[in-house]
Amino acid sequence: DAKTTQPPSMDCAEGRAANLPCNHSTISGNEYVYWYRQIHSQGPQYIIHGLKNNETNEMASLIITEDRKSSTLILPHATLRDTAVYYCIVRVALIQGAQKLVFGQGTRLTINP
Amino acid sequence: DGGITQSPKYLFRKEGQNVTLSCEQNLNHDAMYWYRQDPGQGLRLIYYSQIVNDFQKGDIAEGYSVSREKKESFPLTVTSAQKNPTAFYLCASSIDPVMNTEAFFGQGTRLTVV
Repeated sequence: DAKTTQPPSMDCAEGRAANLPCNHSTISGNEYVYWYRQIHSQGPQYIIHGLKNNETNEMASLIITEDRKSSTLILPHATLRDTAVYYCIVRVALIQGAQKLVFGQGTRLTINP
Repeated sequence: DGGITQSPKYLFRKEGQNVTLSCEQNLNHDAMYWYRQDPGQGLRLIYYSQIVNDFQKGDIAEGYSVSREKKESFPLTVTSAQKNPTAFYLCASSIDPVMNTEAFFGQGTRLTVV
């Protein structure tokens, strides 16, 4: 029941901005968009999340379109250590009010020297 | 240092044996989760727990069991009934199961059935 669509792979030059797109056209009004990344054989690392406004933290910026059907994660100055699989996730409601993260296959981002 | 710890990092099991994966957190989080990841795939939810002494099945619970006797611990047992147990297992926790806060993941346990 993945609710997001991402390109399977992307390349970016070191020092440039990496822009990772995500489509979530069926997102509900109260569902947040989360971004995580996973470096090989490690646990996913939280990056950022948002509802409708653009968000920025020390790692990245998240741009969400006005209709909320898509978003873009921006790594402003990519480094070789940013090479990872990036997951765009929508939190899905479970029973009793709990929520789960629904992971798709993500985008494999490769930063090239 | 606060965090979530999984052990062991690598685990080998003979077919037909049960094995228990450990997950401990000292973040004082109420919610804990177990996910499974197969090569080249995203994560799939096995079980989750919103509070001590309570847990619920996720999307692929068959062949697995859990317990939540303490807030900080959420062990996962892979039973012999699990048909294809070789995978990377990830435990996560979040401060609240309902609020939109981030989940923190452990470093995973790679289980191989030999």
